[in-house]
Amino acid sequence: DQQVKQNSPSLSVQEGRISILNCDYTNSMFDYFLWYKKYPAEGPTFLISISSIKDKNEDGRFTVFLNKSAKHLSLHIVPSQPGDSAVYFCAASGGQAGTALIFGKGTTLSVSS
Amino acid sequence: SAVISQKPSRDICQRGTSLTIQCQVDSQVTMMFWYRQQPGQSLTLIATANQGSEATYESGFVIDKFPISRPNLTFSTLTVSNMSPEDSSIYLCSVEDLGEDTQYFGPGTRLTVL
Repeated sequence: DQQVKQNSPSLSVQEGRISILNCDYTNSMFDYFLWYKKYPAEGPTFLISISSIKDKNEDGRFTVFLNKSAKHLSLHIVPSQPGDSAVYFCAASGGQAGTALIFGKGTTLSVSS
Repeated sequence: SAVISQKPSRDICQRGTSLTIQCQVDSQVTMMFWYRQQPGQSLTLIATANQGSEATYESGFVIDKFPISRPNLTFSTLTVSNMSPEDSSIYLCSVEDLGEDTQYFGPGTRLTVL
C-alpha cells in the first residue's frame, strides 16, 4: 500500500511556463514533506521542504504548497527552465516512520525550449 | 550540506556472489541510511546504519541478506549477499544530522546481477 503517491508519471511544460507537480499521501501522521530532484546516474538532490505547521514554503523559483485536510502537496516551478528536466520525487516522514523517508514513484518533468 | 561519495558507482555481478558498497561522508553525521531503488519503483528504505550498534532494518529486509557496518560517524558499508537478478537496483546512502530534518543522498551504486 503506497503511502505517498505521485499519480502523474510524466509532465511536459514549455520553457517559461509554470510546472506543477502533485503528490498525495495517506498517512495523517506525516509531519514533514520534501521534494527531491534526480538526474540520470545521480543521487536525489534536495530541493525544498515543508513542515506540517505551514501551508506554503518558497525558495526562489520553487514553491511547495501543503493542504493537510486533502493530504495533498504540490511543487510549483516558475518559470520553468530546460535544466529543470529531471525526475521529481515527493517524500514524507514522521509518525511511525520516524525519520525514515517514504518516497513516491516520481514524476518525470520535461521542459522544452 | 555534506558531500557524500559511494563506491563502486556501478557493478555487474554474478548470481550467488556478494558485493559491498561503501558510503563516505566528508563530515561527521548522526544518521546514515541505505535505500534501494528498483527499476521503475520509488526509493525504499532498507535500514538505518547505527554507529556502534546493529543496523535497524525495515520490514522485508534482513541482516543476513543486507549486512551493514558503521564503524564511525563518516563511513558505512552495505553488503548485498548471495545476489540474485531481483537484487538489480540502484543502492543509495543518505545522511541526516542531529537537529536537521533533511536527508542528503549519495550518487548511488547501480548494481546489475546476471
